[in-house]
Amino acid sequence: ETGVTQSPTHLIKTRGQQVTLRCSSQSGHNTVSWYQQALGQGPQFIFQYYREEENGRGNFPPRFSGLQFPNYSSELNVNALELDDSALYLCASSLLRGDEQYFGPGTRLTVT
Amino acid sequence: AQTVTQSQPEMSVQEAETVTLSCTYDTSESDYYLFWYKQPPSRQMILVIRQEAYKQQNATENRFSVNFQKAAKSFSLKISDSQLGDAAMYFCAYIPLSGTYKYIFGTGTRLKVLA
Repeated sequence: ETGVTQSPTHLIKTRGQQVTLRCSSQSGHNTVSWYQQALGQGPQFIFQYYREEENGRGNFPPRFSGLQFPNYSSELNVNALELDDSALYLCASSLLRGDEQYFGPGTRLTVT
Repeated sequence: AQTVTQSQPEMSVQEAETVTLSCTYDTSESDYYLFWYKQPPSRQMILVIRQEAYKQQNATENRFSVNFQKAAKSFSLKISDSQLGDAAMYFCAYIPLSGTYKYIFGTGTRLKVLA
């Protein structure tokens, strides 16, 4: 059974640019959530996708968007990057909505 | 507003001793799950234990157990026989089982295990 994987591991972008982060869910999981974790903080919920539709959203602006594909892999897109977007971005999948989540190792995004 | 509060930014415990991490939450929901997650220095978050709000019995998982007080909205984690590998950030998390499935995490407690 393959766990949750994320790519890339690290990324450096310039303010104003756009970025796409990718996540491959654990086998059989149809729900994926994305989180932003600033240094020394807890994860902040960005949104969740269930069967390719956005199922819930945290307090993030529309420039944070996502996709979930038929194979349940997922993307997080961030437009017009700001310095405050620098953080660890975590992806987590679960078998059921509301169930325990399995996290990926994260993507460290640095915006300069 | 639904919130999760972890009031202990850092805790230390001697190896083989017992430590309790605190978590309180605020919600008007009656049906929800609570979790404790562990994030070791290598950063991949893993589940420690889960509690369903409708269950009165406290969850246990080997050396890990919780004290779930629904009326007080308290959900503490007890780690018995602490081991060096328990050193990590511990996050308390909540999710309501109605409406949008929005997970809420606390700010975390860093646990140090002293040899």
